[in-house]
Parts: sequence; structure tokens; C-alpha cells
Amino acid sequence: TQLLEQSPQFLSIQEGENLTVYCNSSSVFSSLQWYRQEPGEGPVLLVTVVTGGEVKKLKRLTFQFGDARKDSSLHITAAQPGDTGLYLCAGASNTGKLIFGQGTTLQVKP
Amino acid sequence: EAGVAQSPRYKIIEKRQSVAFWCNPISGHATLYWYQQILGQGPKLLIQFQNNGVVDDSQLPKDRFSAERLKGVDSTLKIQPAKLEDSAVYLCASSLDGRGQETQYFGPGTRLLVL
Repeated sequence: TQLLEQSPQFLSIQEGENLTVYCNSSSVFSSLQWYRQEPGEGPVLLVTVVTGGEVKKLKRLTFQFGDARKDSSLHITAAQPGDTGLYLCAGASNTGKLIFGQGTTLQVKP
Repeated sequence: EAGVAQSPRYKIIEKRQSVAFWCNPISGHATLYWYQQILGQGPKLLIQFQNNGVVDDSQLPKDRFSAERLKGVDSTLKIQPAKLEDSAVYLCASSLDGRGQETQYFGPGTRLLVL
């Protein structure tokens, strides 16, 4: 069974701080996706990483895919209250099936 | 472009009752997914359709859950009879043709509470 473990599960920080969320698996995925979900809404895709060692930047968010394509991290620089939400990583198979981690709930206080 | 539509948004039922959820995917998307998201967890895939055929229903509790996508467009997910542990958000998503690196677009979900 493929599993993705995210850590930490909860994070409460002050505006302006940096943070990193980790996503680890014992399985290899064809790609890994990061989503953000707000209360009462469905997840929204932030980024897809495909190649081992790949780094992608989206404004203040930096995503990294591990060399072995089993783990990934999301780093947020200078967090803002608008970054508050549930962050989900998901491993994708080549049939489109997604295996989600349990999520990291981020609260950024002004 | 219209997103994925789901209804109802909220539903409260008693255990042993039946309930049905409806999803209309983005126009032209061949692949449709139903996920269950229990509070504090990530979404779990219940069933994946490619047009009107089932690609993966390995995690669908088939003794009580059923889903169909008869004309390859909209879909319904039914629970009969419901149990307390079925309380969750049911998310529908669609993608263009179900390949691994594609973006899945999620609807807002139906929040089910079973009492």
C-alpha cells in the first residue's frame, strides 16, 4: 500500500516567519503534486514536480522533489495570513490516481 | 470556464438512511473522480471513471456505496444504508484524460453528517 506522510500536521506561526512542510513515502511516484485547501472548498493545485531533484518556485513558495522521487518539501518564505490553509501533498501514478497525505494545517497570525 | 459543480453542499441524515450526491465535471473532461475526505485527513479516492467506464474502484465500499456515470458526463454517488463513519466531505474532481501529471480540478464538495 502506498502511503504519504506529511509533517508537521499542524503549524501556527507569526506573519513574516519561514516554514517548511515535509512529505515522505517509501514508494516512488511518477509525479508529486501540492494542493492548498481552504475551509468549505476543494483542493486547488499549486504545483506538480516530476523530475528527481527538481525545484520549483511560485512567488514565496519553493517546492522540491527528492532525488529518488519518494519525498518532497514545501518551503514558504515570509508567511502571510493569506497563506493560512490546509496544504496537501499527493503522489500520482501514471493512471492519474492520486494518493494524498493527511495534510498540514497552517495558521499564520498577523 | 465553469468549474466542477456539486450538489447538495450539505446533507444531514440518520444512520441507515440513503443519500445521493451529484457531480457535473468541467465540460470536455473525460475523467471523473469521487473522493472521501474525513475531518483531519487527506482525500481518499473512492472511484475513478474514464468516460462512462470504471478505471479504479478498489477503495469503494461496494456493500453500501455505488456510483454511476451513465452518459460519460455527470455522475452520482449513492450511499445505502449510511453509517456514522460515512460522515465526511465527498469531493468530485475531473481532469482532461486521466494521465498522471494532469491537473485535477475539484468541486467544493458535499459535507455529509450522519447522526
